[in-house]
Amino acid sequence: DTAVSQTPKYLVTQMGNDKSIKCEQNLGHDTMYWYKQDSKKFLKIMFSYNNKELIINETVPNRFSPKSPDKAHLNLHINSLELGDSAVYFCASSLPRTGKETQYFGPGTRLLVL
Amino acid sequence: GENVEQHPSTLSVQEGDSAVIKCTYSDSASNYFPWYKQELGKGPQLIIDIRSNVGEKKDQRIAVTLNKTAKHFSLHITETQPEDSAVYFCAASGGSYIPTFGRGTSLIVHP
Repeated sequence: DTAVSQTPKYLVTQMGNDKSIKCEQNLGHDTMYWYKQDSKKFLKIMFSYNNKELIINETVPNRFSPKSPDKAHLNLHINSLELGDSAVYFCASSLPRTGKETQYFGPGTRLLVL
Repeated sequence: GENVEQHPSTLSVQEGDSAVIKCTYSDSASNYFPWYKQELGKGPQLIIDIRSNVGEKKDQRIAVTLNKTAKHFSLHITETQPEDSAVYFCAASGGSYIPTFGRGTSLIVHP
């Protein structure tokens, strides 16, 4: 009964490869997010989707492409992986327009690009 | 846009002492201020939050204070325990609902 789940938990891959990370939430939230956390623990928002529509896209290389097949899922596809993409990626969800701005985070996906 | 500054970046205390983490924000339209705790290997989790119509909120050993005029808010942890050791993030959000996070404080509680 995990609220926000991500797969895989660990991802080790070579430079130049393409990989995907999946996220699912069972909280009934309508807004989902992807964050990147670097080695200094800084949480940087990458994307936000509301009801399957992109509402925020921070300065992120276009090698990163989010896809939301429905309100409960937000996947992240990364093309041509680079060394600098190594980080922990967190998915989160919330229901902001009902006064519930609290973000619920997944356990994270630890990506290591070699 | 919103800018959130968080201090200190690292805080080391003895078990039983109090710990205080401070944040400032820039956007006067921000009205929701959550605090998240991130334990090693896990995602951040909300521990307490405060809205702009309240000056202080307490939940057992943790409390948050908000000074809207000065645009700063603080997390207070009393009687710290080793299990309080974690990274703590403050955040601020307003009309856009997208939170801006501080850079985090690594709290270490020595037994």
